[in-house]
Amino acid sequence: QVQLQESGPGLVKPSETLSLTCTVSGGSISSYYWSWIRQPAGKGLEWIGRIYTSGSTNYNPSLKSRVTMSVDTSKNQFSLKLSSVTAADTAVYYCARGTTLAGSYYHDYWGQGTLVTVSS
Amino acid sequence: QSVLTQPPSVSGAPGQRVTISCTGSSSNIGAGSDVHWYQQLPGTAPKLLIYGNSNRPSGVPDRFSGSKSGTSASLAITGLQAEDEADYYCQSYDSSLSGYWVFGGGTKLTVL
Repeated sequence: QVQLQESGPGLVKPSETLSLTCTVSGGSISSYYWSWIRQPAGKGLEWIGRIYTSGSTNYNPSLKSRVTMSVDTSKNQFSLKLSSVTAADTAVYYCARGTTLAGSYYHDYWGQGTLVTVSS
Repeated sequence: QSVLTQPPSVSGAPGQRVTISCTGSSSNIGAGSDVHWYQQLPGTAPKLLIYGNSNRPSGVPDRFSGSKSGTSASLAITGLQAEDEADYYCQSYDSSLSGYWVFGGGTKLTVL
């Protein structure tokens, strides 16, 4: 059973960079896409972006200028960096595995989520 | 404001059937992009419920079904149970801008 676990600081200061890592266990990180998704308190889900194990990325256009994703296959981990954060970036951040099927893309395994608060 | 529109809330009594709509446009569902559905129980991570418009992952009861037509998709839940009370989200691909994956705004299902 594939399991994902997010880790990183729970508090980030405004204008600084949010950094999170997702560790994958119970299966290989190779040959899959891996996504980051966030959810502000009481609100809906927002797709941030995805990375393939080759390092190829796709980002949400609304966040593209501030997002960087990377992958470390030797550690079965992938990471998210979001720069110049503001209070609007306060949310629960989820990592998830993406599966493709006939051109379609969906998230079949999710981490438990980690709350990141942006505050001075 | 998501490009996929869902009703904020729906409700039904135990045993009843409810449907949740997901309305898109010609740049997403209407362009042929598949729709997927997730269930989020209170305080937990979302869980895949339906993929590829109408397919259920192993372990999801057949009380849950999905369909797609034109620029919309629907999730139907029959034989409503108390444990179905949750938030439900649709997800698809939107080809506008440079293309990206998008979630609907979510629907809160209340079991009366």
